[in-house]
Amino acid sequence: AQKVTQAQTEISVVEKEDVTLDCVYETRDTTYYLFWYKQPPSGELVFLIRRNSFDEQNEISGRYSWNFQKSTSSFNFTITASQVVDSAVYFCALPTSGTYKYIFGTGTRLKVLA
Amino acid sequence: DAGVIQSPRHEVTEMGQEVTLRCKPISGHNSLFWYRQTMMRGLELLIYFNNNVPIDDSGMPEDRFSAKMPNASFSTLKIQPSEPRDSAVYFCASSLLGTPYQPQHFGDGTRLSIL
Repeated sequence: AQKVTQAQTEISVVEKEDVTLDCVYETRDTTYYLFWYKQPPSGELVFLIRRNSFDEQNEISGRYSWNFQKSTSSFNFTITASQVVDSAVYFCALPTSGTYKYIFGTGTRLKVLA
Repeated sequence: DAGVIQSPRHEVTEMGQEVTLRCKPISGHNSLFWYRQTMMRGLELLIYFNNNVPIDDSGMPEDRFSAKMPNASFSTLKIQPSEPRDSAVYFCASSLLGTPYQPQHFGDGTRLSIL
């Protein structure tokens, strides 16, 4: 069965600290994709990144970076120099094999304190 | 480009009333998804359509829920009769299927409260 685990329920950091959000997944597929979404306090779900299983290079976008490691089945998300606007719930998601249904993790609530 | 548009943003109604939620997907997207989000159960996929045809409705909780997609630019999710336990945020998302696992783009959601 496929599964996504976000063990960190809530994280609080002080502004300008770096923070890493963990995502561990289970799948038997040899080819798969992983996604990260952000849900700010306003409630909408915002797509952040898609990564396929063929590409284990780290991805960096501004203060955001993603570390994909197939050996540990992890797709972790790091925010460098966090800001108050980064406060949100972050979800990791894995499409189920053969369908377009996402399995979402339970989310990690990040609070960045000024 | 306009994103996924949902209406209404908020709905408060009394138990037993019919509720209709609306969604306009991103133009050109060929798949549409309805989700429900609650604190207890997180994000649940209710149903999804591909080319206006329902593909998987296994997440629809019961017969009180129905969804339609009469054309490529409009979908509704209806609850009749509504119950307090239906209170949740309902999201619509659209995607371009065909190329595997394109991201789903979500609307702002409808916050539904059933009194």
